[in-house]
Amino acid sequence: KQEVTQIPAALSVPEGENLVLNCSFTDSAIYNLQWFRQDPGKGLTSLLLIQSSQREQTSGRLNASLDKSSGRSTLYIAASQPGDSATYLCAVYKGSNYKLTFGKGTLLTVNP
Amino acid sequence: NAGVTQTPKFQVLKTGQSMTLQCAQDMNHEYMSWYRQDPGMGLRLIHYSVGAGITDQGEVPNGYNVSRSTTEDFPLRLLSAAPSQTSVYFCASATSGSTDTQYFGPGTRLTVL
Repeated sequence: KQEVTQIPAALSVPEGENLVLNCSFTDSAIYNLQWFRQDPGKGLTSLLLIQSSQREQTSGRLNASLDKSSGRSTLYIAASQPGDSATYLCAVYKGSNYKLTFGKGTLLTVNP
Repeated sequence: NAGVTQTPKFQVLKTGQSMTLQCAQDMNHEYMSWYRQDPGMGLRLIHYSVGAGITDQGEVPNGYNVSRSTTEDFPLRLLSAAPSQTSVYFCASATSGSTDTQYFGPGTRLTVL
């Protein structure tokens, strides 16, 4: 059974700092991995999707990497801003039952 | 495009009552799904559909019913609400379940007393 773990569960940083969020998964036979952002009381917004054949994806200040063989992904946020404060979720798609398996998220707080 | 919309935003039910959570998307996506989000449990798949007329069970389907009569709509029915169904429910859609970004609605917060 696929399990997704996100470390740390919570992170508090000062504005301007570069930071890394970690995601690990137990079954490396995945089709893709997605990073989402969730603001309090809101839905999920997709940030980046990495196909299994890719090593990384970039969007603005965000860079996500994927090492399928070791079952790891990282989300790098450069020059963090208070507006980046949210819960970040990673999810893997294995290709069966059309199911995304989610981690429990990292709650990020960026202090002005 | 409105994207994925869900109604209602909030709902309080008594045990044993039934209700339907509505989900609609205007992106002509074939794939739609329902998740529930519980503290400490993450998001779990309830039911999904790969096109009009086709539905299947996810990880936690018991107590829920779905149908897909049109591409746009994918309602979730609670037949006899139980306190264990207190949760936040999210609907999602994608052009393909396997390789494409999934788009999520804003959620429905349900409390069963």
